Amino acid sequence: DSGVTQTPKHLITATGQRVTLRCSPRSGDLSVYWYQQSLDQGLQFLIHYYNGEERAKGNILERFSAQQFPDLHSELNLSSLELGDSALYFCASSPSIDSYNSPLHFGNGTRLTVT
Amino acid sequence: QQQVKQSPQSLIVQKGGISIINCAYENTAFDYFPWYQQFPGKGPALLIAIRPDVSEKKEGRFTISFNKSAKQFSLHIMDSQPGDSATYFCAAIGNQFYFGTGTSLTVIP
Repeated sequence: DSGVTQTPKHLITATGQRVTLRCSPRSGDLSVYWYQQSLDQGLQFLIHYYNGEERAKGNILERFSAQQFPDLHSELNLSSLELGDSALYFCASSPSIDSYNSPLHFGNGTRLTVT
Repeated sequence: QQQVKQSPQSLIVQKGGISIINCAYENTAFDYFPWYQQFPGKGPALLIAIRPDVSEKKEGRFTISFNKSAKQFSLHIMDSQPGDSATYFCAAIGNQFYFGTGTSLTVIP
Protein backbone atom coordinates (compact mmCIF):
# COMPACT_ATOMS: atom_id res chain seq x y z
CA ASP A 1 0.00 0.00 0.00
CA SER A 2 1.54 3.27 -1.17
CA GLY A 3 -0.44 5.41 1.27
CA VAL A 4 -1.91 7.50 -1.55
CA THR A 5 -5.70 7.33 -1.71
CA GLN A 6 -7.71 8.08 -4.82
CA THR A 7 -11.48 8.24 -5.12
CA PRO A 8 -13.58 7.16 -6.82
CA LYS A 9 -12.03 3.99 -8.25
CA HIS A 10 -14.34 3.99 -11.24
CA LEU A 11 -16.34 6.72 -12.89
CA ILE A 12 -18.69 6.41 -15.85
CA THR A 13 -20.14 9.54 -17.33
CA ALA A 14 -21.41 10.98 -20.58
CA THR A 15 -19.77 13.31 -23.04
CA GLY A 16 -20.04 16.95 -22.13
CA GLN A 17 -20.23 16.27 -18.41
CA ARG A 18 -17.90 17.41 -15.63
CA VAL A 19 -16.24 15.19 -13.02
CA THR A 20 -13.95 15.64 -10.04
CA LEU A 21 -11.26 13.17 -9.05
CA ARG A 22 -9.87 13.27 -5.56
CA CYS A 23 -6.45 12.40 -4.16
CA SER A 24 -5.13 12.22 -0.62
CA PRO A 25 -1.33 12.09 -0.55
CA ARG A 26 0.81 10.05 1.83
CA SER A 27 1.05 11.47 5.29
CA GLY A 28 3.73 14.14 5.28
CA ASP A 29 3.99 14.46 1.51
CA LEU A 30 3.58 18.00 0.27
CA SER A 31 3.80 17.36 -3.47
CA VAL A 32 0.97 15.96 -5.53
CA TYR A 33 1.29 14.99 -9.18
CA TRP A 34 -1.45 14.01 -11.59
CA TYR A 35 -0.89 11.64 -14.50
CA GLN A 36 -3.11 10.33 -17.28
CA GLN A 37 -2.60 6.80 -18.59
CA SER A 38 -4.30 5.73 -21.79
CA LEU A 39 -4.14 2.31 -23.44
CA ASP A 40 -1.93 3.44 -26.27
CA GLN A 41 0.19 5.88 -24.32
CA GLY A 42 2.34 5.74 -21.28
CA LEU A 43 2.08 7.96 -18.24
CA GLN A 44 1.38 11.51 -19.33
CA PHE A 45 2.23 14.15 -16.77
CA LEU A 46 -0.60 16.61 -16.23
CA ILE A 47 0.23 18.89 -13.31
CA HIS A 48 2.24 19.19 -10.10
CA TYR A 49 1.28 20.98 -6.90
CA TYR A 50 3.45 21.63 -3.88
CA ASN A 51 1.94 22.75 -0.61
CA GLY A 52 -1.04 24.31 -2.31
CA GLU A 53 0.77 26.01 -5.16
CA GLU A 54 1.06 24.96 -8.77
CA ARG A 55 4.66 24.03 -9.60
CA ALA A 56 4.58 22.64 -13.11
CA LYS A 57 2.19 21.92 -15.93
CA GLY A 58 2.51 19.16 -18.46
CA ASN A 59 0.14 18.08 -21.20
CA ILE A 60 -2.96 19.28 -19.41
CA LEU A 61 -5.90 20.38 -21.51
CA GLU A 62 -7.59 23.71 -20.86
CA ARG A 63 -10.77 21.76 -20.02
CA PHE A 64 -8.90 20.24 -17.08
CA SER A 65 -7.96 22.00 -13.88
CA ALA A 66 -6.63 21.03 -10.50
CA GLN A 67 -6.03 22.41 -7.08
CA GLN A 68 -4.42 21.41 -3.82
CA PHE A 69 -6.17 22.34 -0.60
CA PRO A 70 -4.71 23.42 2.76
CA ASP A 71 -5.08 19.87 4.09
CA LEU A 72 -2.94 18.83 1.08
CA HIS A 73 -5.54 16.74 -0.67
CA SER A 74 -5.91 17.50 -4.34
CA GLU A 75 -8.72 17.47 -6.86
CA LEU A 76 -8.56 17.14 -10.62
CA ASN A 77 -11.53 18.62 -12.43
CA LEU A 78 -12.33 17.44 -15.94
CA SER A 79 -15.03 19.31 -17.87
CA SER A 80 -16.72 19.13 -21.26
CA LEU A 81 -15.69 15.52 -21.33
CA GLU A 82 -14.94 13.81 -24.62
CA LEU A 83 -14.67 10.13 -25.49
CA GLY A 84 -10.91 10.52 -25.74
CA ASP A 85 -10.70 11.52 -22.09
CA SER A 86 -11.44 7.94 -21.10
CA ALA A 87 -8.32 6.82 -19.27
CA LEU A 88 -6.78 5.94 -15.95
CA TYR A 89 -5.93 8.99 -13.90
CA PHE A 90 -3.22 8.57 -11.30
CA CYS A 91 -2.23 10.74 -8.45
CA ALA A 92 1.26 10.46 -6.97
CA SER A 93 2.87 12.14 -4.02
CA SER A 94 6.32 12.85 -2.71
CA PRO A 95 7.70 14.77 0.26
CA SER A 96 9.85 17.22 -1.65
CA ILE A 97 9.23 20.27 -3.78
CA ASP A 98 10.97 18.85 -6.81
CA SER A 99 11.84 15.56 -8.35
CA TYR A 100 15.42 15.25 -7.19
CA ASN A 101 16.16 12.43 -4.76
CA SER A 102 12.47 11.78 -4.36
CA PRO A 103 10.65 8.93 -6.12
CA LEU A 104 6.92 9.18 -6.57
CA HIS A 105 4.38 7.06 -4.72
CA PHE A 106 1.28 6.36 -6.78
CA GLY A 107 -2.31 5.73 -5.84
CA ASN A 108 -4.32 3.00 -7.53
CA GLY A 109 -5.95 5.42 -9.92
CA THR A 110 -9.42 6.41 -11.04
CA ARG A 111 -10.68 4.73 -14.17
CA LEU A 112 -12.77 7.22 -16.11
CA THR A 113 -15.06 5.99 -18.86
CA VAL A 114 -16.79 8.59 -21.02
CA THR A 115 -19.71 7.23 -23.06
CA GLN B 1 9.33 14.63 -27.84
CA GLN B 2 9.80 11.47 -25.86
CA GLN B 3 12.47 12.18 -23.28
CA VAL B 4 12.95 8.55 -22.40
CA LYS B 5 12.73 5.80 -25.02
CA GLN B 6 11.88 2.34 -23.78
CA SER B 7 11.99 -1.01 -25.55
CA PRO B 8 10.63 -3.53 -26.17
CA GLN B 9 6.94 -2.67 -25.97
CA SER B 10 6.16 -6.24 -24.95
CA LEU B 11 8.20 -9.21 -23.84
CA ILE B 12 7.43 -12.89 -23.32
CA VAL B 13 9.88 -14.94 -21.28
CA GLN B 14 9.88 -18.49 -20.03
CA LYS B 15 9.89 -19.08 -16.30
CA GLY B 16 13.46 -19.10 -15.06
CA GLY B 17 14.70 -16.98 -17.95
CA ILE B 18 16.18 -13.48 -17.95
CA SER B 19 13.98 -10.52 -18.83
CA ILE B 20 15.77 -7.46 -20.18
CA ILE B 21 14.17 -4.06 -20.73
CA ASN B 22 16.12 -1.16 -22.17
CA CYS B 23 15.82 2.59 -21.89
CA ALA B 24 17.69 5.47 -23.46
CA TYR B 25 17.70 9.18 -22.75
CA GLU B 26 19.21 12.34 -24.20
CA ASN B 27 19.22 14.92 -21.43
CA THR B 28 22.45 14.71 -19.44
CA ALA B 29 20.82 16.72 -16.64
CA PHE B 30 18.92 13.64 -15.51
CA ASP B 31 20.41 12.34 -12.30
CA TYR B 32 18.08 9.68 -10.94
CA PHE B 33 16.72 6.70 -12.83
CA PRO B 34 13.95 4.68 -11.17
CA TRP B 35 12.06 1.69 -12.49
CA TYR B 36 8.39 1.18 -11.70
CA GLN B 37 6.34 -2.01 -11.77
CA GLN B 38 2.62 -1.85 -12.45
CA PHE B 39 0.13 -4.67 -12.03
CA PRO B 40 -3.32 -4.49 -13.66
CA GLY B 41 -5.67 -2.27 -11.69
CA LYS B 42 -2.87 -0.83 -9.57
CA GLY B 43 -0.70 2.24 -9.69
CA PRO B 44 2.98 2.03 -10.60
CA ALA B 45 5.17 1.07 -7.65
CA LEU B 46 8.83 1.91 -7.26
CA LEU B 47 10.90 -1.20 -7.91
CA ILE B 48 14.54 -0.14 -7.97
CA ALA B 49 16.49 3.00 -8.81
CA ILE B 50 20.02 4.06 -9.68
CA ARG B 51 22.12 7.20 -9.85
CA PRO B 52 24.51 7.86 -12.75
CA ASP B 53 27.64 7.58 -10.60
CA VAL B 54 27.00 3.84 -10.27
CA SER B 55 27.18 1.37 -13.15
CA GLU B 56 25.08 -1.35 -11.59
CA LYS B 57 22.63 -1.84 -8.75
CA LYS B 58 21.19 -5.15 -7.67
CA GLU B 59 18.25 -5.88 -5.42
CA GLY B 60 17.35 -9.53 -5.25
CA ARG B 61 16.54 -10.77 -8.74
CA PHE B 62 16.36 -7.24 -10.14
CA THR B 63 19.43 -5.46 -11.51
CA ILE B 64 19.82 -2.08 -13.16
CA SER B 65 22.76 -1.65 -15.50
CA PHE B 66 23.70 1.94 -16.28
CA ASN B 67 25.90 3.19 -19.12
CA LYS B 68 26.42 6.90 -18.64
CA SER B 69 28.47 7.47 -21.79
CA ALA B 70 25.85 5.77 -23.96
CA LYS B 71 22.99 7.36 -22.00
CA GLN B 72 21.33 4.01 -21.64
CA PHE B 73 20.11 1.93 -18.75
CA SER B 74 18.41 -1.41 -18.51
CA LEU B 75 16.49 -3.60 -16.10
CA HIS B 76 17.42 -7.26 -15.83
CA ILE B 77 15.09 -9.68 -14.09
CA MET B 78 16.90 -12.89 -13.30
CA ASP B 79 15.06 -16.20 -12.83
CA SER B 80 11.84 -14.57 -14.09
CA GLN B 81 8.68 -15.82 -12.41
CA PRO B 82 5.01 -15.71 -13.48
CA GLY B 83 4.42 -13.28 -10.62
CA ASP B 84 6.76 -10.84 -12.38
CA SER B 85 4.21 -10.49 -15.18
CA ALA B 86 3.43 -6.79 -15.15
CA THR B 87 4.12 -3.56 -17.00
CA TYR B 88 7.49 -1.98 -16.30
CA PHE B 89 8.26 1.70 -16.72
CA CYS B 90 11.66 3.28 -16.68
CA ALA B 91 11.92 6.92 -15.71
CA ALA B 92 14.44 9.71 -15.67
CA ILE B 93 14.35 12.53 -13.20
CA GLY B 94 15.54 16.03 -13.82
CA ASN B 95 13.34 19.02 -13.12
CA GLN B 96 10.41 16.71 -13.83
CA PHE B 97 9.71 13.03 -14.00
CA TYR B 98 9.89 11.57 -17.49
CA PHE B 99 8.53 8.08 -17.96
CA GLY B 100 9.21 5.60 -20.70
CA THR B 101 6.26 4.18 -22.60
CA GLY B 102 6.24 0.91 -20.69
CA THR B 103 7.01 -2.75 -21.36
CA SER B 104 4.41 -5.43 -20.86
CA LEU B 105 6.20 -8.50 -19.50
CA THR B 106 4.59 -11.94 -19.58
CA VAL B 107 6.40 -14.81 -17.90
CA ILE B 108 5.16 -18.17 -19.11
CA PRO B 109 5.11 -21.03 -16.57
